[in-house]
Amino acid sequence: DAKTTQPTSMDCAEGRAANLPCNHSTISGNEYVYWYRQIHSQGPQYIIHGLKNNETNEMASLIITEDRKSSTLILPHATLRDTAVYYCIVRALYGGATNKLIFGTGTLLAVQP
Amino acid sequence: DSGVTQTPKHLITATGQRVTLRCSPRSGDLSVYWYQQSLDQGLQFLIQYYNGEERAKGNILERFSAQQFPDLHSELNLSSLELGDSALYFCASSGYYRGSYGYTFGSGTRLTVV
Repeated sequence: DAKTTQPTSMDCAEGRAANLPCNHSTISGNEYVYWYRQIHSQGPQYIIHGLKNNETNEMASLIITEDRKSSTLILPHATLRDTAVYYCIVRALYGGATNKLIFGTGTLLAVQP
Repeated sequence: DSGVTQTPKHLITATGQRVTLRCSPRSGDLSVYWYQQSLDQGLQFLIQYYNGEERAKGNILERFSAQQFPDLHSELNLSSLELGDSALYFCASSGYYRGSYGYTFGSGTRLTVV
């Protein structure tokens, strides 16, 4: 699996957009970019994933560069409840094969009041 | 409710003992994964099962074992427990949902070894 690089921590003011970067320069053509977050001691929560097109859902937007070597997760209006560790994971989809998610250290996003 | 159920939520036991953690995957998911998260540590992949068969192993100790039953629920057995085994243990399942492949995590079991 391609390795990802994320900043260790970031701050964001409440109500502002939080932009979390992720580098995945060795990504392969069949690998998706997944984002999860973990609020203190809770189970990881799925946010969004994409292959090459930008994606948006009710939680966030995912912007993937044209060369797919990096991506940005955007939380449009961060709230205090968005304070969490955010994980960027690159994973191919095989459906039924060995397709475990490998978590790195993630980015600790602290939303400030 | 994520659809993945883990029991018990909390477990306190003594060193040297054996415990069993249980996981029921989201309905329809065939793959189950176990992860360990020690205090202030990252999520470490332990083992994966797919439709009853072991598919992948991570950094799982020989004292630990798992299985997946015909009804697809899974159990993680931890034996000869040590203080260092105190951690959060998460189970996840994966499958297709609304046309997209995804992974869903349970709320975890907090194990404390005293």
